[in-house]
Amino acid sequence: SQTIHQWPATLVQPVGSPLSLECTVEGTSNPNLYWYRQAAGRGLQLLFYSVGIGQISSEVPQNLSASRPQDRQFILSSKKLLLSDSGFYLCAWTSGRSYEQYFGPGTRLTVT
Amino acid sequence: AQSVTQLGSHVSVSEGALVLLRCNYSSSVPPYLFWYVQYPNQGLQLLLKYTSAATLVKGINGFEAEFKKSETSFHLTKPSAHMSDAAEYFCALHNAGGTSYGKLTFGQGTILTVHP
Repeated sequence: SQTIHQWPATLVQPVGSPLSLECTVEGTSNPNLYWYRQAAGRGLQLLFYSVGIGQISSEVPQNLSASRPQDRQFILSSKKLLLSDSGFYLCAWTSGRSYEQYFGPGTRLTVT
Repeated sequence: AQSVTQLGSHVSVSEGALVLLRCNYSSSVPPYLFWYVQYPNQGLQLLLKYTSAATLVKGINGFEAEFKKSETSFHLTKPSAHMSDAAEYFCALHNAGGTSYGKLTFGQGTILTVHP
């Protein structure tokens, strides 16, 4: 069966520090991968998606970047965090056949 | 462009009462529709999905939803609420046609509170 992992689970970082969040998927190949953010009291915002290794599409201009160095690995990064980057970050995957997305457990990021 | 509207950001019911969470969509092509549930500090879990087969879809935890094309609705129901149903629920849409790379359009979410 397929599983999706995210780490770390929680992170507290000062403003201006770098960020690296990792997402890995097991049990499938060539998934579409997605990064979402949930800010407090707000819905899901799609940040990036990827349909293959090295292929990244950004949905909104922001302080973040994403990379996909391996088929089942998706990384969210920032060189310098802003207070507004705080939130709950979710990674998701889909096989692209029936389009339901499966979500990871999330990373709670607090920028202080 | 497609959109999803969830009517009511907060819904409160008593334990044992009917749960009804409303979702309306806008799409130029036949959509695939989904309901997800999110418990605090957890990821989203798929409850059920509509993919153009039966219009009444049964999901996990006793939930079901009915696709009504004439009303562009996909409301989520459960006959009898349990305390464990308290969570946030998201309705989502994928356009079956076109090149969307599997992206989903989500509603803003409905927080369900269940009172004893």
